[in-house]
Amino acid sequence: EDQVTQSPEALRLQEGESSSLNCSYTVSGLRGLFWYRQDPGKGPEFLFTLYSAGEEKEKERLKATLTKKESFLHITAPKPEDSATYLCAVPYGNNRLAFGKGNQVVVIP
Amino acid sequence: NAGVTQTPKFQVLKTGQSMTLQCAQDMNHNSMYWYRQDPGMGLRLIYYSASEGTTDKGEVPNGYNVSRLNKREFSLRLESAAPSQTSVYFCASRRDRTNTEAFFGQGTRLTVV
Repeated sequence: EDQVTQSPEALRLQEGESSSLNCSYTVSGLRGLFWYRQDPGKGPEFLFTLYSAGEEKEKERLKATLTKKESFLHITAPKPEDSATYLCAVPYGNNRLAFGKGNQVVVIP
Repeated sequence: NAGVTQTPKFQVLKTGQSMTLQCAQDMNHNSMYWYRQDPGMGLRLIYYSASEGTTDKGEVPNGYNVSRLNKREFSLRLESAAPSQTSVYFCASRRDRTNTEAFFGQGTRLTVV
């Protein structure tokens, strides 16, 4: 059973068209949820950590929010440089870290 | 400000050959991980090491071995490479077992022919 599910798998946005990415998780006793950005040919780059429902974090045009069952990554007025794959991850078990398959975002000028 | 360093960046192997992927971190982290990333499959955990001297299997350990050489270094060995092991391999580290994020290396792109 997947611990983390991300949707949509792929998203094409016009520059300036705001949207949201979803990450739902099934682990009980959440010990944090992490968002990453991955550019082609590179390793994932850490963006945010969220620990409790209601928490929000922001960085430039990105805002991450957390509920008891899911997290959203809101992209406000995206630019082409926001094109990337966004990954979310949760800790589970004995020090393991499970990742979703990612949201591939393309922002068209 | 190196963070997590992986070598090599690219490698082509013939079926049956062996090789070791190297990973080192300079952040004094206790936990280290090896993942593979395949199209449509996301990041899958191969092995991890919660602390120096310990290693544990992840989701897809078959065909791999690991060594936690010291606190800084965690290597991944393919004893007899198979085409199914063609993938991009990422090493990551976390400070400890608590709720901290992981930091990743730049990856090793491995092709087995």
